[in-house]
Amino acid sequence: GQNIDQPTEMTATEGAIVQINCTYQTSGFNGLFWYQQHAGEAPTFLSYNVLDGLEEKGRFSSFLSRSKGYSYLLLKELQMKDSASYLCAGMDSNYQLIWGAGTKLIIKP
Amino acid sequence: NAGVTQTPKFRILKIGQSMTLQCAQDMNHNYMYWYRQDPGMGLKLIYYSVGAGITDKGEVPNGYNVSRSTTEDFPLRLELAAPSQTSVYFCASSFDENTEAFFGQGTRLTVV
Repeated sequence: GQNIDQPTEMTATEGAIVQINCTYQTSGFNGLFWYQQHAGEAPTFLSYNVLDGLEEKGRFSSFLSRSKGYSYLLLKELQMKDSASYLCAGMDSNYQLIWGAGTKLIIKP
Repeated sequence: NAGVTQTPKFRILKIGQSMTLQCAQDMNHNYMYWYRQDPGMGLKLIYYSVGAGITDKGEVPNGYNVSRSTTEDFPLRLELAAPSQTSVYFCASSFDENTEAFFGQGTRLTVV
């Protein structure tokens, strides 16, 4: 079956760095997405990886290892506004997205 | 820029009632999607469309119907509401299948 696993909740300190991991099992693979979702709001796009390696975009970076079925989202210089859920989604061979349940990130001062 | 506009934001339905959730996008996107999001669960795809006149079932289509008569609009119809359809519904659109999706603000639906 198809599955996305990510931790349910993480806590980090303002100004620190946090890494949110995601492992995926999909029928075929056409890339991996990360979205941010603040409570009560819609998801917003953060990153898309289809090739192995690290993609950096400001304070946020995303890494993919296709051989390991693994991705992570790295958030640097954490700010209080980064408190949100982070959704990992893998795209299968039919270009359908399989979504994880999300990781709720709590930032403490 | 309006992006993806979804209405209503909140709705309470009685069991057996019907309703249509409206979704419109002004980005000329080919792809449109309807998802539901339940607490502690990932987004589940209900229906999607790759262009006007073309719709297809997603992972959880039972109890729902869609139409795509124009590029802009993608309404979701609930015919006989059931408590299991209590959820938050998101409409989204994208240029193609592997580009970022833009989401509407969601509809919080309660069936009692």
